[in-house]
Amino acid sequence: QSVLTQPPAASGTPGQRVTISCSGSTSNIGRQTVDWYQQSPGAAPKLLMYGNTQRPSGVPDRFSGSKSGTSVSLAISGLQPEDEADYYCAAWDVSLNGWVFGGGTKLTVL
Amino acid sequence: EVQLVESGGGLVQPGRALRLSCVASGFTFSSYRMTWVRRVPGEGLVWVSYINTDVTSTNYADSVKGRFTISRDNAKNMLYLQMNSLRAEDTAVYYCARDSGNGLDIWGQGTMVTVSS
Repeated sequence: QSVLTQPPAASGTPGQRVTISCSGSTSNIGRQTVDWYQQSPGAAPKLLMYGNTQRPSGVPDRFSGSKSGTSVSLAISGLQPEDEADYYCAAWDVSLNGWVFGGGTKLTVL
Repeated sequence: EVQLVESGGGLVQPGRALRLSCVASGFTFSSYRMTWVRRVPGEGLVWVSYINTDVTSTNYADSVKGRFTISRDNAKNMLYLQMNSLRAEDTAVYYCARDSGNGLDIWGQGTMVTVSS
């Protein structure tokens, strides 16, 4: 049981917009910023978004983030086949004094 | 090139120990907090442990507390995870990651640990 809650799966067709949600509590998302990671099959996780809405260098602007209270969302517009991967939200938890992750959302591009 | 490379994984019997290593290159290792994260096959990412820059602060997930020990050697650009009393549920791919303060921005390729008799 992950501390952060994500839907286990999402899907879309090429060109569509897909949103992945992540909910937590006041000890993590409610008072800390959230990061998103993308993990393609057989690869290491990659930082996709940090500070709720900031994209690291090299991440296309098709990816965007938002936050409201104890929930965050990752939106992917103009869906592409290479976006098929597992997506994880993560935040520092002040009660646990450690990182907490969502259970991951497997994105399928149909 | 900025990179992290893990080693030390393998097949180990329940109750035995294993030490994972992670060598950093391409950046000032001593300036960054470091973290171990694992992924159980078929499941998601789980934080295991962190260590701050000067080894004055560490913490562990409840599932490994008392069994795992994180350490680092800044002179050698090395991060370690000593895993004792291993259990079947510790079977996972273990990743070391750099905490930049803006997320875990650099990850190693991972090392597989299998705990089985």
